[in-house]
Parts: sequence; C-alpha cells; structure tokens
Amino acid sequence: QKEVEQNSGPLSVPEGAIASLNCTYSDRGSQSFFWYRQYSGKSPELIMFIYSNGDKEDGRFTAQLNKASQYVSLLIRDSQPSDSATYLCARRDSGYALNFGKGTSLLVTP
Amino acid sequence: GAVVSQHPSRVICKSGTSVKIECRSLDFQATTMFWYRQFPKKSLMLMATSNEGSKATYEQGVEKDKFLINHASLTLSTLTVTSAHPEDSSFYICSARGTPERDWPQHFGDGTRLSIL
Repeated sequence: QKEVEQNSGPLSVPEGAIASLNCTYSDRGSQSFFWYRQYSGKSPELIMFIYSNGDKEDGRFTAQLNKASQYVSLLIRDSQPSDSATYLCARRDSGYALNFGKGTSLLVTP
Repeated sequence: GAVVSQHPSRVICKSGTSVKIECRSLDFQATTMFWYRQFPKKSLMLMATSNEGSKATYEQGVEKDKFLINHASLTLSTLTVTSAHPEDSSFYICSARGTPERDWPQHFGDGTRLSIL
C-alpha cells in the first residue's frame, strides 16, 4: 500500500502567522505531489503541485518537497481565517489517479 | 482554467433506487476521468479510473456491477449507483485529466452528495 500520511490536527494558528502543514509518503518512486484545500461539504480545490526537490512559491503559499526524506510540506504565510479548511496532500500514482492523505484540519483564529 | 462540471449536486432517494451522476469536462478533452468517494470525516478514496472508449478500471473492493461507469465521449463520464442502499450514502467526486502532461493537475467537479433513505 502506497501511503500518504498527514497529521489530522486540528492545527490552530493565529491570524497573520505562518501555518506549516506536513505530509510524508511511503513510495520512494513517487514523482508528483499536490496540495488541495477542502472546505466542509465542498469539493477539493487545487492549491499547488510540485515535482522537483526544493521550494515552489505561489503567492502566500510555498510547497516544499524533499524526496530523500519523503516528505512534502505546505507553508501558508499571513494566514487568514478564510484559510481555515482541511488540507489534503496527494501523490500521483502510475495511472495518474491521486492517492490522498487523510487531511489536516487548519483553524486560523482572528 | 480547466473546468469540470458534475451533476446533480445532491440526491436524496429511497433504498433500491438507481442514481446516475454525470461528470463533464467543459473546456478540454478528458482522456481519463476518475471517480472518488468520500465518507464523512474521511479522505477521498479512488473508486475507478475511466478511459474514453474502454472499460473502467475499478479499485479493489469496489463492485463494478454496482457502480457502473460509462465514458462514451471525451467530455462525459457517468457513474450509476445501481440499487443504492443506505451504506452507499457518500460524497462522490469526479476529476478529469486532459493533455498527457506528466503533472497535469487534476481538477475536481463540485461533487454529488448522495443520501439513501
């Protein structure tokens, strides 16, 4: 089983702080990783994808990938209450489907 | 950007009813569509992979005779839950993949919340 592991949280951060979300994966051959945000009762919304070691930045979001250590992280700078949601980490499998972690619940408090 | 439309958004029906869910890619041709299921407070689990013009590939534990998938065109895939029972109540979400780029990010439909009474 090619697992994707996430701490379920909840992770609570004050407004304006940096939220750090982490994800580990078991399949060393995994190439592509995705972060989705899911609000309660809604479908996942793509935030970022990353496939190269290092950092990838997009606005307030930075994805980090370390293939040697098999972890992926997502940093959210200047966190806002509207960022409160469940964040899903996923890896792409060989058939292009996504294998999701259980998600981390983030709560940004005003 | 790429848009995936899913319909209906919510279904409430009696046990034994068959329910059809449609997934459409609106501005690209989807060679592959994926069907996921999400139970409350759980993550998304892949049910099946649907390729245009061929039979769907089901994940282990998913009954292909119960969850019928048809991908008759490059823009439409349907999932039919046959003789649905309360345990089939879940959030069903489709996604679509277009051009054969290694890292084409999947975009999800808005999901269908199925409630079987």
